[in-house]
Amino acid sequence: QSVLTQPPSVSAAPGQKVTISCSGSSSNIGNYYVSWYQQLPGTAPKLLIYEDNKRPSGIPDRFSGSKSGTSATLGITGLQTGDEADYYCGTWDSNLSPSVFGTGTKVTVL
Amino acid sequence: QVLLVQSGSELKKPGASVKVSCKASGYTLTNNALIWVRQAPEQGLECVGRIDTNTGDPTYAQGFTGRFVFSLDTSVNTAYLQITSLKAEDTAVYYCARFSNSWYYAIDYWGQGTLVTVSS
Repeated sequence: QSVLTQPPSVSAAPGQKVTISCSGSSSNIGNYYVSWYQQLPGTAPKLLIYEDNKRPSGIPDRFSGSKSGTSATLGITGLQTGDEADYYCGTWDSNLSPSVFGTGTKVTVL
Repeated sequence: QVLLVQSGSELKKPGASVKVSCKASGYTLTNNALIWVRQAPEQGLECVGRIDTNTGDPTYAQGFTGRFVFSLDTSVNTAYLQITSLKAEDTAVYYCARFSNSWYYAIDYWGQGTLVTVSS
């Protein structure tokens, strides 16, 4: 029942690039900053991107974020096997719960 | 360093209650709002709600009112999630996590998660 829609899966070969979309509305993405989280198998989520396009220290610049209107995008370049994980967008929503998350996207490195 | 350490896995029968703890270290609990997140097996992340750790004021997400209760014990820098009248569909990993004070709407630290299994 998430209000943020992501593709279920994306895949690419090592060294290639993938992009993950996150579609919302004016009550969430359209008016609030977006974060992105990486969840490696069997672990807790980890912050990858905050305020649409900023990276916390320690996050490589292979990860990038952007936003336009009511959609956001996560890009991963130079894909590595260690990037295989589930990725979630997240933001605030003025109508619903304090935070909302995307449906999640599984990244597979072929 | 900032850590959120949660209590261990729980196995409960339907109708029982469970209380999950989340102990903060490396910072003072009342300095940052806290969020509780549910992840059912093979499912995505779902916000249970948020607690203002300064005032203790909770905000529960739709679908999480009534049986889910947040509380704090600031003397031991710990937050709690209690779930009453457990149902099989409450089976999930529950995470506590901290909202950043520096980055808008970002969740910067997460607990390791607590698996709650509800089964007869």
